[in-house]
Amino acid sequence: GQNIDQPTEMTATEGAIVQINCTYQTSGFNGLFWYQQHAGEAPTFLSYNVLDGLEEKGRFSSFLSRSKGYSYLLLKELQMKDSASYLCAAPWNSGNTPLVFGKGTRLSVIA
Amino acid sequence: GAGVSQSPRYKVTKRGQDVALRCDPISGHVSLYWYRQALGQGPEFLTYFNYEAQQDKSGLPNDRFSAERPEGSISTLTIQRTEQRDSAMYRCASSKDQTQYFGPGTRLLVL
Repeated sequence: GQNIDQPTEMTATEGAIVQINCTYQTSGFNGLFWYQQHAGEAPTFLSYNVLDGLEEKGRFSSFLSRSKGYSYLLLKELQMKDSASYLCAAPWNSGNTPLVFGKGTRLSVIA
Repeated sequence: GAGVSQSPRYKVTKRGQDVALRCDPISGHVSLYWYRQALGQGPEFLTYFNYEAQQDKSGLPNDRFSAERPEGSISTLTIQRTEQRDSAMYRCASSKDQTQYFGPGTRLLVL
């Protein structure tokens, strides 16, 4: 089975940097996803890490350490529109399989 | 279309009625997934298809729930004899590889 853990809520200031952590336990590792979900909207894909290390994509970066069962999402130069829930998710297996989601971290960006 | 679409967006029904929720995936996406999402939680797996074949339905809560994808494109999730506990957001996602793209969801309210 898979178990995914992430903080429930975080608050950060506009213009700052915030790191959202995710720890996971899986029977077999097949990568780790991050999704963003604004209130009342669908989850949207942010990143997918398969290998260890940091992957940067504009203001958002995602880090993975497979040996530690740990990932984080790094958001730089925070904007008010970044206020959303951030979901960590792991696939069941390799290939096209369902995702197991964490409960999500609700990020509030304040002025 | 450009993205995953779902209909209806909102459905209010009386306890005991049957409902059918529709998902139209992104064109060419092989895999289609159904999830249910409670407020403040991540999506929870229900069932999924590769082409027209239902691969796993272990997430369906009971035998009142069923799903089909007869031509490998549009899918329907049917809930028979609805109960109040079925009230939730039902989300569909599709993928051509591991990355899943979500639709806007159907908000079901059973009175």
